[in-house]
Amino acid sequence: KQEVTQIPAALSVPEGENLVLNCSFTDSAIYNLQWFRQDPGKGLTSLLLIQSSQREQTSGRLNASLDKSSGRSTLYIAASQPGDSATYLCAVYNYGQNFVFGPGTRLSVLP
Amino acid sequence: DVKVTQSSRYLVKRTGEKVFLECVQDMDHENMFWYRQDPGLGLRLIYFSYDVKMKEKGDIPEGYSVSREKKERFSLILESASTNQTSMYLCASKGQDYTEAFFGQGTRLTVV
Repeated sequence: KQEVTQIPAALSVPEGENLVLNCSFTDSAIYNLQWFRQDPGKGLTSLLLIQSSQREQTSGRLNASLDKSSGRSTLYIAASQPGDSATYLCAVYNYGQNFVFGPGTRLSVLP
Repeated sequence: DVKVTQSSRYLVKRTGEKVFLECVQDMDHENMFWYRQDPGLGLRLIYFSYDVKMKEKGDIPEGYSVSREKKERFSLILESASTNQTSMYLCASKGQDYTEAFFGQGTRLTVV
């Protein structure tokens, strides 16, 4: 059964820092991996989608990498801002047509 | 823009009531999902549907049922609401295999 973990569980950084969030999964039989952002009390907003055949995707200050063979993905946030404060979740979409989510990393960027 | 719309942001219901949570998507997606999210437990899959009238149980289907009579609409039904079903409910929509998933804004359900 697919399991997804995220490290760290929580992170607090001063504004302007570059930071890395980590996601690991146990079964490499995936179509893709998606990173989401969730603000308190809200739904999930899609940030980046990486296909299983891809190594990297970029959107603005965000860069996500995928190493399917080792079951790892990282989300890199450059020059962090207070508005980046949120919970970040990764999810893998399995061949069994199901999403499996990690528990999330709660990020706080201090002004 | 892809839109996934959940019928209510906040809902308060009494124990024993039958509760309907509605989700509508406008992108002709085949797959739709219902999750609940609780502190410390993350997102847990209740049911998903990969086509009209098709449904599959997720990890925690007990106490819930679903209906998908039209492609764009996926309903979650609490047959007899209980206090342990107080939670945030999230609906998601996705096309085939390699496509991106999108979520609704969530419904905060409180059962009293």
